[in-house]
Amino acid sequence: GAVVSQHPSRVICKSGTSVKIECRSLDFQATTMFWYRQFPKQSLMLMATSNEGSKATYEQGVEKDKFLINHASLTLSTLTVTSAHPEDSSFYICSASRTGGMDQPQHFGDGTRLSIL
Amino acid sequence: AQSVTQLDSQVPVFEEAPVELRCNYSSSVSVYLFWYVQYPNQGLQLLLKYLSGSTLVESINGFEAEFNKSQTSFHLRKPSVHISDTAEYFCAVHFNKFYFGSGTKLNVKP
Repeated sequence: GAVVSQHPSRVICKSGTSVKIECRSLDFQATTMFWYRQFPKQSLMLMATSNEGSKATYEQGVEKDKFLINHASLTLSTLTVTSAHPEDSSFYICSASRTGGMDQPQHFGDGTRLSIL
Repeated sequence: AQSVTQLDSQVPVFEEAPVELRCNYSSSVSVYLFWYVQYPNQGLQLLLKYLSGSTLVESINGFEAEFNKSQTSFHLRKPSVHISDTAEYFCAVHFNKFYFGSGTKLNVKP
């Protein structure tokens, strides 16, 4: 149980394109979903926390107009990288939690490798 | 600010040998500590966690980690590794949000 599906697993696109990444909890309802970004040989960095039905909370330094997050249902959150540029190339990972509390584990997707040419 | 340091980016080890993956964190307040494992082409999975109580925590597949408050460490150990333990291991600290280390790739050789 507790499977999180992230799609697509890899995307390559031209500079200026907007890219949407989906994160779905397949067998549980996720009140809270998290979006991370990972640069090569570096830590996962939390970008934003989204709670179903409300606006996402962005971490300091993350442009909310650049990285649009929607969490319209208890099983789906999307991250849209708008007008992507080469510096946005990275590995993006989502995780989902039933409640977002410390006592509830985060279940991770397999990540999306984004490459902007 | 919180931070998590995993000094070893890669750890090669022979099968059935013991292994220790190091994790240190910087925090002046109480935190919760985690180890996650990522097998090739898969997402991160929770391996074990320390929230409170006994400082030694164990996973179902033979790993253990000990919380050492004075040294601000949470090293992961296994007395005898298997080929199937080959994966990347991430240490994480939770203080209001998760802070992850940069990961340690464990490569178990036959």
